Amino acid sequence: QKEVEQDPGPLSVPEGAIVSLNCTYSNSAFQYFMWYRQYSRKGPELLMYTYSSGNKEDGRFTAQVDKSSKYISLFIRDSQPSDSATYLCAMNWGNQFYFGTGTSLTVIP
Amino acid sequence: DAGVIQSPRHEVTEMGQEVTLRCKPISGHDYLFWYRQTMMRGLELLIYFNNNVPIDDSGMPEDRFSAKMPNASFSTLKIQPSEPRDSAVYFCASSKEGYQPQHFGDGTRLSIL
Repeated sequence: QKEVEQDPGPLSVPEGAIVSLNCTYSNSAFQYFMWYRQYSRKGPELLMYTYSSGNKEDGRFTAQVDKSSKYISLFIRDSQPSDSATYLCAMNWGNQFYFGTGTSLTVIP
Repeated sequence: DAGVIQSPRHEVTEMGQEVTLRCKPISGHDYLFWYRQTMMRGLELLIYFNNNVPIDDSGMPEDRFSAKMPNASFSTLKIQPSEPRDSAVYFCASSKEGYQPQHFGDGTRLSIL
């Protein structure tokens, strides 16, 4: 079993839709939970991170962590064409980081 | 503040040639990571440094790969000799502490013919 599992998609939604991106993990010792956004031919850009269970909101983005279920989510409200990218989840135990394989999202105008 | 800077952005070379990739981390970041990204395997950690010292190089695929960090603002990843299966995007990332989220450069897209 992989440390981090992420559905690769692709996911295609109309502009304005609510998007839900998810990852599951197996190691209950993970500390930070991160979401990166990667545009084509660019590096992963840190979008949000959280250290604990619960929700963290930043504008149209909400990161949710459920440690009891070992499940994390990223919600995007009022999705825009500029949100079209690959989203990678990541988590760590100390200096060991584990990345999901990424979910490709396309927001159609 | 400037982010992580990598060069070159693209490299195309023939099999057997030496390839050197360069990275300048964010100023004040004590940790530097080298990753390789492919469609099949996603992001793979190759090696990371703390205060210019290599800490974990278990991800370096073969002896053909080597990495150095001569000072806090510069690191290189070298492949010698290069092979077609080394074709990938290579990313450098840095963080202030090893357990904190990393910040990535825009990568070097490497093609070995």
